[in-house]
Amino acid sequence: AQSVTQLDSHVSVSEGTPVLLRCNYSSSYSPSLFWYVQHPNKGLQLLLKYTSAATLVKGINGFEAEFKKSETSFHLTKPSAHMSDAAEYFCVVSVLPRYNNNDMRFGAGTRLTVKP
Amino acid sequence: KAGVTQTPRYLIKTRGQQVTLSCSPISGHRSVSWYQQTPGQGLQFLFEYFSETQRNKGNFPGRFSGRQFSNSRSEMNVSTLELGDSALYLCASSSLPGGRTDTQYFGPGTRLTVL
Repeated sequence: AQSVTQLDSHVSVSEGTPVLLRCNYSSSYSPSLFWYVQHPNKGLQLLLKYTSAATLVKGINGFEAEFKKSETSFHLTKPSAHMSDAAEYFCVVSVLPRYNNNDMRFGAGTRLTVKP
Repeated sequence: KAGVTQTPRYLIKTRGQQVTLSCSPISGHRSVSWYQQTPGQGLQFLFEYFSETQRNKGNFPGRFSGRQFSNSRSEMNVSTLELGDSALYLCASSSLPGGRTDTQYFGPGTRLTVL
């Protein structure tokens, strides 16, 4: 069975400083991994996804994540935080191949706060 | 291309009532999934429909049901509402059912409050 753990429930950074949101996963099979962002009163938006191609995945808005099998991690990073990055971030794991959406597991979420 | 739309955006009901939520997927998408999001349980999968057929169902009681129409629009119904049903209900669409490379696109959600 697969599971995902987001190691920080809340991360606070200053504008212009790097962002690191940590995610560890557990999967019996080669996983697909996703990061979604949710702004207040909005749905989830896909930032990036890993599906067994390149281990360093680049997403939208300057975010990227690196798949590290030996560490079972898929941390999300951004070199310089912007005020508009303040939101809730979800790490998601799914079995490869994902035949149904019941195989997806969502992390509990990390709330990112960006201080001016 | 228009995104996933959900109506209504906000809903207030009382215990024992029933409610119907609606989701219109992105044009051309035939798969619609429903999720419940609460502070305590996080995001949990409810069910998925593809071509008017329920493909999968999460671990929710029978009070939660859904259907999909020939135009891929989907409705979710909750009967005999309980206080614990208060949540943000998210709908997501994708072009194909499952599939590891397929991306789900989420709507803004319907915020249901049960009093």
